[in-house]
Amino acid sequence: NAGVTQTPKFRILKIGQSMTLQCTQDMNHNYMYWYRQDPGMGLKLIYYSVGAGITDKGEVPNGYNVSRSTTEDFPLRLELAAPSQTSVYFCASSHHDRPNQPQHFGDGTRLSIL
Amino acid sequence: AQTVTQSQPEMSVQEAETVTLSCTYDTSESDYYLFWYKQPPSRQMILVIRQEAYKQQNATENRFSVNFQKAAKSFSLKISDSQLGDAAMYFCAYRIITGNQFYFGTGTSLTVIP
Repeated sequence: NAGVTQTPKFRILKIGQSMTLQCTQDMNHNYMYWYRQDPGMGLKLIYYSVGAGITDKGEVPNGYNVSRSTTEDFPLRLELAAPSQTSVYFCASSHHDRPNQPQHFGDGTRLSIL
Repeated sequence: AQTVTQSQPEMSVQEAETVTLSCTYDTSESDYYLFWYKQPPSRQMILVIRQEAYKQQNATENRFSVNFQKAAKSFSLKISDSQLGDAAMYFCAYRIITGNQFYFGTGTSLTVIP
């Protein structure tokens, strides 16, 4: 059971480039989330999804886009990378019908924008 | 507004001693779940312990226990017999039963001194 898998683990982008952070989970969780974690800080919610075809903005959505075409996958897209988007990105998933269950996290993607 | 406050950015403890990390939260909801996560240098987010708000009994997981004070909206984590492997960033989080989101504190960095 792989849990939540994020790729890539590390990436360096130039300002203005675009990229997609991949996230997939094999636990049949209907809720999925994207967070960013700046150095020494907590988690800030970027976007989340409560099921295939449904997404919603979190606390810091500007500069990002998401899609949820399947239950398993929840990619995060950066269209025009900016230095302020240098961060560690975490994908997480959880079960809707079991609110006492915690989120399961991927190992994170460290992204640097230069 | 749903907020989680961890007032101790950094804590240290001698190996084999006990340390308590504080967490307070603000919510108007009565039914929710509380979680403590550990994030070691490897970055992976690991669930330490969880507490259902409707339960008066404090949760315990081996050396980890909580002091849950619902009226005071306080949810502190006690680590007994601290070990070097306990060194990590610790995050407090909660989720309301009917909600889609988890709310995280800003974290407490714990150092264990040999």
